Amino acid sequence: AQSVTQLDSQVPVFEEAPVELRCNYSSSVSVYLFWYVQYPNQGLQLLLKYLSGSTLVKGINGFEAEFNKSQTSFHLRKPSVHISDTAEYFCAVTLNTGFQKLVFGTGTRLLVSP
Amino acid sequence: GAGVSQSPSNKVTEKGKDVELRCDPISGHTALYWYRQSLGQGLEFLIYFQGNSAPDKSGLPSDRFSAERTGGSVSTLTIQRTQQEDSAVYLCASSLELSRGYNSPLHFGNGTRLTVT
Repeated sequence: AQSVTQLDSQVPVFEEAPVELRCNYSSSVSVYLFWYVQYPNQGLQLLLKYLSGSTLVKGINGFEAEFNKSQTSFHLRKPSVHISDTAEYFCAVTLNTGFQKLVFGTGTRLLVSP
Repeated sequence: GAGVSQSPSNKVTEKGKDVELRCDPISGHTALYWYRQSLGQGLEFLIYFQGNSAPDKSGLPSDRFSAERTGGSVSTLTIQRTQQEDSAVYLCASSLELSRGYNSPLHFGNGTRLTVT
């Protein structure tokens, strides 16, 4: 079975500072990896995904993530955060089963302050 | 509508009552998913529909939970004899046809917050 670990439940950061949200996964087979964001009182929205190819994936709102197979990680980064990036971020994996049965991490709350 | 619509947005019910949660997917999306978001369990997969059939319902926690989809569109998640541990936010998501694989992202609704008292 697959699992996802997001060790940081909350990450406080000042505006315009860089940020990294950590995600590690466990799987005995190849997986697809995703980051979703949930803004307050809104539904989940896809930030970016890794399916194959280049291990550095760029997403919306200036976020990027790097797939590291040897470390089984898929950390999310942004070089300069904005107040509006305050949200809950979820890392997720799925097998290549043909549909998106996602296994989510417990989420990391990013708190950006002025 | 432009997005996935779920109703009601909030539901408070007494323990032992039945509840129905509704999901209207984005028009043309053949794949539909139900997930549950709770404090103790995080985000969990419940069931997946392709058209009106459910190839994977392995995430339904008990036989009190059931779901159906009609006309390849609207889906209803029913919880019978609700228990306090059923309290959670129930999320619905839809995506384009399966053949497009993972290039078709999941579009989530805002969820139904269920509170069982």
